Amino acid sequence: ETGVTQSPTHLIKTRGQQVTLRCSSQSGHNTVSWYQQALGQGPQFIFQYYREEENGRGNFPPRFSGLQFPNYSSELNVNALELDDSALYLCASSPIRDSGGNEQFFGPGTRLTVL
Amino acid sequence: EDQVTQSPEALRLQEGESSSLNCSYTVSGLRGLFWYRQDPGKGPEFLFTLYSAGEEKEKERLKATLTKKESFLHITAPKPEDSATYLCAVQVVNFGNEKLTFGTGTRLTIIP
Repeated sequence: ETGVTQSPTHLIKTRGQQVTLRCSSQSGHNTVSWYQQALGQGPQFIFQYYREEENGRGNFPPRFSGLQFPNYSSELNVNALELDDSALYLCASSPIRDSGGNEQFFGPGTRLTVL
Repeated sequence: EDQVTQSPEALRLQEGESSSLNCSYTVSGLRGLFWYRQDPGKGPEFLFTLYSAGEEKEKERLKATLTKKESFLHITAPKPEDSATYLCAVQVVNFGNEKLTFGTGTRLTIIP
């Protein structure tokens, strides 16, 4: 069983540029969530995708957007990069939703540095 | 607003010295409380899910417990390889949204 994978591992961009981060969910999982983790902080929820539609969003501006594809993989796009966007971006997948709390399994993350 | 507070921020223990990490939470309706382990520069690794007060779960040297206001992660006779940041997160009852709200973590260092 393949776990959650993310690409690229590291990325360096300059202020004002745009970036796309990619995530492949774990086999059998149909929900993908994205989180931003600044140094020394806990992960902060950006948004979640379920059945290719956004299903909940945290306190992030519209320049953070995403997609989910029919195979449940996902992309996170960030436009007009700012210095404060420098962080570890984490993707997490979870299995088919049911009435209980669903564990989210995280990928290794993409380290984004904005100069 | 849902809040998760972890203490202490950092903890240094001698190998074999048992201790506990605390996670206190304030939420509108708890669906589940999750513990993760995170190594530097890596993604969080799932450890436990707790659903209701009184529930306990164990894995090797770790044991997680849950009350109506807080959760504890007990570490028994830790080894250097247990050094990591331990994150607590809550998932609340909110139709259609399964986001996790995390604390800032406890950075645990086990000294040989």
